[in-house]
Amino acid sequence: DVKVTQSSRYLVKRTGEKVFLECVQDMDHENMFWYRQDPGLGLRLIYFSYDVKMKEKGDIPEGYSVSREKKERFSLILESASTNQTSMYLCASSFERIWAPGNTIYFGEGSWLTVV
Amino acid sequence: AQTVTQSQPEMSVQEAETVTLSCTYDTSENNYYLFWYKQPPSRQMILVIRQEAYKQQNATENRFSVNFQKAAKSFSLKISDSQLGDTAMYFCAFMKHEGADGLTFGKGTHLIIQP
Repeated sequence: DVKVTQSSRYLVKRTGEKVFLECVQDMDHENMFWYRQDPGLGLRLIYFSYDVKMKEKGDIPEGYSVSREKKERFSLILESASTNQTSMYLCASSFERIWAPGNTIYFGEGSWLTVV
Repeated sequence: AQTVTQSQPEMSVQEAETVTLSCTYDTSENNYYLFWYKQPPSRQMILVIRQEAYKQQNATENRFSVNFQKAAKSFSLKISDSQLGDTAMYFCAFMKHEGADGLTFGKGTHLIIQP
């Protein structure tokens, strides 16, 4: 089975702290994604990456950055955490040829971040 | 840009009933994919069903089926013989053919199956 692992399930950070959310996938996927999930808003794409050292902005990139130094790892960085970044963050990954039959996007279990 | 609309924030049905969740989308793309994901209280996103836009035949997976109306840009999910374990958030999602920029999600429908 595909495994997308988010190392931190629950975090509490203070306003202004630098926060790292780590995501690792074990299926040699080319594409990786970071989503934010808030009640009533669904999932919104923050950043995505289709190759090592490549990154693209999603719909809500403000206040976030990402790093992809290795193919299997995609990190989300909050340079200076703020209370409005309290949310659940979901990492996902997929093969490049996502349209091929049987392929889809696989999700991690989520990281709950509270900024106080 | 694509948009996905789920107009039912919450639905509740009795166990064993059939329920239909609505989803509409807007896109200028001709080739794309549509998905329904289930998110139980554990928060793990689980793929329920997938539909390729170029296929006229509606996708089915056991008790789950879709009604895909491309011209109307409608993609509803039907759950037959609903079970208590079907209680979850359900998200409709759109993906362009290229896929590299991921999924665009609706806001979700909270489905409650009553015993």
